[in-house]
Amino acid sequence: DGGITQSPKYLFRKEGQNVTLSCEQNLNHDAMYWYRQDPGQGLRLIYYSQIVNDFQKGDIAEGYSVSREKKESFPLTVTSAQKNPTAFYLCASSTGQGHYEQYFGPGTRLTVT
Amino acid sequence: GENVEQHPSTLSVQEGDSAVIKCTYSDSASNYFPWYKQELGKRPQLIIDIRSNVGEKKDQRIAVTLNKTAKHFSLHITETQPEDSAVYFCAASEGGYQKVTFGTGTKLQVIP
Repeated sequence: DGGITQSPKYLFRKEGQNVTLSCEQNLNHDAMYWYRQDPGQGLRLIYYSQIVNDFQKGDIAEGYSVSREKKESFPLTVTSAQKNPTAFYLCASSTGQGHYEQYFGPGTRLTVT
Repeated sequence: GENVEQHPSTLSVQEGDSAVIKCTYSDSASNYFPWYKQELGKRPQLIIDIRSNVGEKKDQRIAVTLNKTAKHFSLHITETQPEDSAVYFCAASEGGYQKVTFGTGTKLQVIP
């Protein structure tokens, strides 16, 4: 299960608090992605980054923020502005160079009460 | 932006039968169509993909077909086995570093 890791596996927070989810990869991949998975809604893209110090909004970026200071790391912050933060969050990476497979991390289940 | 629709949302088949999952996409610029399998409690994993210059691709019991004119693609699983039970996601992308848009998933149950 090496390659791309997420921590922690389960995270509990009180409403109104910001929380940061970790994503690290040692695959030397340029591109990294954050998805949110809710029952019956598939995988929805939050943010993605094609290169260090650059990132783009996905389809549901409101209430989230990211940074990409290192190639290996792409942390996601769920802010208090996110109205429905309880979900399963998946991070992924890909080389983007002729081989487009996305490699997913094990996910973090966030519960906000 | 791209919109990917996937049907059916649930599918039950008897072991040994075939299963077909269908997806449509909206953006004619999409040229890469992967399928991911997510077993219960695990991360999604790529099982097969197809690029727009190919109409069909097979890998053992799994095949994917693409109709660019109609903007639809399908996953075919033959001789299904209980270990095929999982959620399957189709997706569409322009490839490279571009964003990938996923369908809503199909929960496949193979009944022994």
